[in-house]
Amino acid sequence: DSGVTQTPKHLITATGQRVTLRCSPRSGDLSVYWYQQSLDQGLQFLIQYYNGEERAKGNILERFSAQQFPDLHSELNLSSLELGDSALYFCASSVEGTGVTEQYFGPGTRLTVT
Amino acid sequence: GENVEQHPSTLSVQEGDSAVIKCTYSDSASNYFPWYKQELGKRPQLIIDIRSNVGEKKDQRIAVTLNKTAKHFSLHITETQPEDSAVYFCAASGSGGSYIPTFGRGTSLIVHP
Repeated sequence: DSGVTQTPKHLITATGQRVTLRCSPRSGDLSVYWYQQSLDQGLQFLIQYYNGEERAKGNILERFSAQQFPDLHSELNLSSLELGDSALYFCASSVEGTGVTEQYFGPGTRLTVT
Repeated sequence: GENVEQHPSTLSVQEGDSAVIKCTYSDSASNYFPWYKQELGKRPQLIIDIRSNVGEKKDQRIAVTLNKTAKHFSLHITETQPEDSAVYFCAASGSGGSYIPTFGRGTSLIVHP
C-alpha cells in the first residue's frame, strides 16, 4: 500500500457524460500528479498540482480539468467523454522539497466509456 | 523535451535466469531515474531508483546501472522468480528542474517456472 488513495475504483459511463475522479496523496506529500494509461499509449502525464497550485501540464485535453484543494486532495474532471477516454487513471504523490523525489502511485480508477 | 526509449518490449526467461532491461534517454540534464513494476491491473510500484551522481545501486536481486556519458541505464534482475512477471517501466526526470518523469513504453517480463 503506497498511502495514496483513489476513488472510485471502477467507473462505467456513457459517451458525452462527465465524471470526477478523486485522489488523496500520502500524508505530508504536497504534490499530486495525474496520469492516463491506455493499452497503446503507456503512462501519459496529464497534470501536476503542488500545494494547491497548478505546476505543470502535459498532454491533457481541454475537456479535462483538475484542481487541488486546501486539504491537498485532488480531483480530475473529465467531460464530454469519448470512447477513447477509456483508460486507467492514476494519481501519484511526492514530497518535492528541495529536489526530484520519488512518486508513489495510487491504485487507479478504471474508466470505461460505452 | 526528454525522450526515453526502452528495450525490449517483451522479455521471456526461465525461472532462475537473469533479466536485463535497457533504457536510453536524450536529455543529459536528467538526473533521476526510477524503475516501476506494474502487475496486471494494478498500480506502478517503485522498485528501485538511481540518481545521476551514482553509477550503480543494488537492492537484493535487483540492480540498476547508469552510464551518464552514453545516456543509458539498465535494470538487472537476478535469479528471476515467477512473481517477477510484470511490466517494468523506466523513467527519467529532473531536466530543467522539472519533476515530471518521462516514461519508457514498458517491458513485459515473463518468467516461466
